[in-house]
Amino acid sequence: AQTVTQSQPEMSVQEAETVTLSCTYDTSESDYYLFWYKQPPSRQMILVIRQEAYKQQNATENRFSVNFQKAAKSFSLKISDSQLGDAAMYFCAYKKAGDDKIIFGKGTRLHILP
Amino acid sequence: DADVTQTPRNRITKTGKRIMLECSQTKGHDRMYWYRQDPGLGLRLIYYSFDVKDINKGEISDGYSVSRQAQAKFSLSLESAIPNQTALYFCATSDAQFYNEQFFGPGTRLTVL
Repeated sequence: AQTVTQSQPEMSVQEAETVTLSCTYDTSESDYYLFWYKQPPSRQMILVIRQEAYKQQNATENRFSVNFQKAAKSFSLKISDSQLGDAAMYFCAYKKAGDDKIIFGKGTRLHILP
Repeated sequence: DADVTQTPRNRITKTGKRIMLECSQTKGHDRMYWYRQDPGLGLRLIYYSFDVKDINKGEISDGYSVSRQAQAKFSLSLESAIPNQTALYFCATSDAQFYNEQFFGPGTRLTVL
């Protein structure tokens, strides 16, 4: 069965600094998708970034980028120039291609220190 | 206006009561989902639906039922609520053609006393 592991329950970073959130996953599939979702205090689940497993190039969305290591089954999220609005719970998630189910990690709570 | 709405946003109920959580979407998506979020456990899938006639159980369907009244509406029912069903519940949708991305509603905070 596929699993997603986020080993850091909480992290803190100084405003304007860079932080990396870790995620590993376990799958025997070759075609899948990986996601990072952000959940701020408003509770809304917001898609931050998505990576297709068949793409070698790491996805980037403004200050957010990923380091996708397919062989190592690692999918970390880097947030550059951290802002107070980045404070949230971040969930790493996996989805097998052709499947409807998304499997979520347990989340990492990110604190931004002013 | 929000694309995916959930009602109520917050609800407190008592053990044994029947309760329904409702989800509506204006995105025109075929697929709809119900998730439950518990602290330290992430989100877990309860039920999902491909269309009005197609309902599927997820990871944790026991104690829950669903109804897909229309393409745009998907409700979740707790027939007899119990305290360990206290959680944050999310509805989500996805497009049949581009179903690799799911769009979430704002969530319903349910407390069962």
